[in-house]
Amino acid sequence: KAGVTQTPRYLIKTRGQQVTLSCSPISGHRSVSWYQQTPGQGLQFLFEYFSETQRNKGNFPGRFSGRQFSNSRSEMNVSTLELGDSALYLCASSPDRGAYGYTFGSGTRLTVV
Amino acid sequence: DQQVKQNSPSLSVQEGRISILNCDYTNSMFDYFLWYKKYPAEGPTFLISISSIKDKNEDGRFTVFLNKSAKHLSLHIVPSQPGDSAVYFCAASVYGGATNKLIFGTGTLLAVQP
Repeated sequence: KAGVTQTPRYLIKTRGQQVTLSCSPISGHRSVSWYQQTPGQGLQFLFEYFSETQRNKGNFPGRFSGRQFSNSRSEMNVSTLELGDSALYLCASSPDRGAYGYTFGSGTRLTVV
Repeated sequence: DQQVKQNSPSLSVQEGRISILNCDYTNSMFDYFLWYKKYPAEGPTFLISISSIKDKNEDGRFTVFLNKSAKHLSLHIVPSQPGDSAVYFCAASVYGGATNKLIFGTGTLLAVQP
């Protein structure tokens, strides 16, 4: 059974650009959540999608957005990149809502220069 | 406001000894707690969880203890092995709630010395 796949694995962008990250959940998983990991901050919740609807959003500016498609695949977008957006972005999928059954992908390492 | 805190950024133990990782939380609504292990360049992997109706849960070498009155949980690894060297995150949530949101601590880097 394939795990959670995130693409690309590494990305370098310039300040002011925008970026789109992709996440393919485990087959049959309907919930996808996104987290940002930075040194000293742990994992910060970005948002959760279930059945193509955003169900919950963390405390991030509107430059961070996402969506989920009918096949449960999800994308997140960051516009007008800032140096502070450099982080590891992790996607997690789970079969249904609820905090159990989370499986994380390996993440996308975004560097903003 | 850090609702889940791991006050020890790092911990070093000898192989074969016990590793104890600690975690404190402030939100009394949390009723489900998890520990994740993370190697560099990989996503976190689930280790063990505990619901607030229990005070202990064991899985092989890993045991999680929950002290609700102190809002404190700990992960015990016995015996510690070099392969256990990783960053450990504790996380909390409201079990069965209408959200998949986990609140994570900042992590503890465990180094197990051979």
